[in-house]
Amino acid sequence: AQTVTQSQPEMSVQEAETVTLSCTYDTSESDYYLFWYKQPPSRQMILVIRQEAYKQQNATENRFSVNFQKAAKSFSLKISDSQLGDAAMYFCAYRRVFRANTGNQFYFGTGTSLTVIP
Amino acid sequence: DTGVSQDPRHKITKRGQNVTFRCDPISEHNRLYWYRQTLGQGPEFLTYFQNEAQLEKSRLLSDRFSAERPKGSFSTLEIQRTEQGDSAMYLCAKTGGALTGELFFGEGSRLTVL
Repeated sequence: AQTVTQSQPEMSVQEAETVTLSCTYDTSESDYYLFWYKQPPSRQMILVIRQEAYKQQNATENRFSVNFQKAAKSFSLKISDSQLGDAAMYFCAYRRVFRANTGNQFYFGTGTSLTVIP
Repeated sequence: DTGVSQDPRHKITKRGQNVTFRCDPISEHNRLYWYRQTLGQGPEFLTYFQNEAQLEKSRLLSDRFSAERPKGSFSTLEIQRTEQGDSAMYLCAKTGGALTGELFFGEGSRLTVL
């Protein structure tokens, strides 16, 4: 079964600094998708960034970028110029390529709680 | 706005009662998921629909749980004879139109079983 591991339950960063959140996953698939989701306190989960496994280039969305190491099955999230609004739980997620019927679920890690210090 | 509406947002019930949650993907999409999230944990997969067909169920979905998606639009998740261990946030999500098919979540329905 696929597993997603986030080994940092909590992280903190000074405002305007850079922080990296770690994620590793286990899969026997060669083609899949990886995601980072943000869940602010008492608010809904929103997508931060996504990465297709077949792409070697790391995804970037404004201040958010990933370091995707396929061989190591590692998918870290870097937040640059951290802002107070970045404070939230961050979840790493995995999904294989959609196929008929089964196996199309998304697997989530246990999350990293990010605190931004003013 | 992720285009997924869930109701009710919070439900408090006594142990042994039945509860039902509703999910409306505002624009119809063929894939709809239910997840459960307990405090401090990541979402755990419960079940998945493609159109009106329930294609996959987690072992977490005991026989007290039932989900439906008539006509492939809105979905309901019913929990019968609730237990305190059922207390959690129940999340509904749909897949987007992009090739990557990421999930768009609703705000969730929080269940508290006393």
